[in-house]
Amino acid sequence: AQTVTQSQPEMSVQEAETVTLSCTYDTSESNYYLFWYKQPPSRQMILVIRQEAYKQQNATENRFSVNFQKAAKSFSLKISDSQLGDTAMYFCAFTNFGNEKLTFGTGTRLTIIP
Amino acid sequence: GAVVSQHPSWVICKSGTSVKIECRSLDFQATTMFWYRQFPKQSLMLMATSNEGSKATYEQGVEKDKFLINHASLTLSTLTVTSAHPEDSSFYICSARLGLAGVQETQYFGPGTRLLVL
Repeated sequence: AQTVTQSQPEMSVQEAETVTLSCTYDTSESNYYLFWYKQPPSRQMILVIRQEAYKQQNATENRFSVNFQKAAKSFSLKISDSQLGDTAMYFCAFTNFGNEKLTFGTGTRLTIIP
Repeated sequence: GAVVSQHPSWVICKSGTSVKIECRSLDFQATTMFWYRQFPKQSLMLMATSNEGSKATYEQGVEKDKFLINHASLTLSTLTVTSAHPEDSSFYICSARLGLAGVQETQYFGPGTRLLVL
């Protein structure tokens, strides 16, 4: 069974700083997808970024980027120039190619301090 | 694009009544929708996978007769909590998968429904 581990239950950082959230996963598959979702206080789950395992290039979406280390099964999220609106719960998620289900990590609560 | 709506956003009901929650994909067709439950300060727990025109697939431990799921069209799935009890109080979230059947794509989530059973 696939597992996703987020080892940082809570983090806080000053506004405008850079922060990195960790995620590791376990799978025996070679084709899969990884995601970071954000859940702000409104509780709406918002897709932040997505990575296909067969792509070597790390995904980037504006201030958000990932460091995907396939051999190490690591998928960290870097938030640059953090903003107050980045305060949220961040979930790392995994799914195998051809499997519709998402496996979520336990989440990291990120607080941006003004 | 890829907007999913959920209705109602919150509901309070008496114990023993049934509650229906709707999940709609507004700007795309979703062959597969998912229903999750989330307890406070916890991650999402998948309840069932709903495919248009077929019976839902429930996760282990989820009561099929308690949580009725219907996926009548490519844009609508409903979750009915039957004979609700206080322990069913929770935050329910749906998601819709964007993409062709058999090709994995991204799940987009609705805003959630907060259910309180008195």
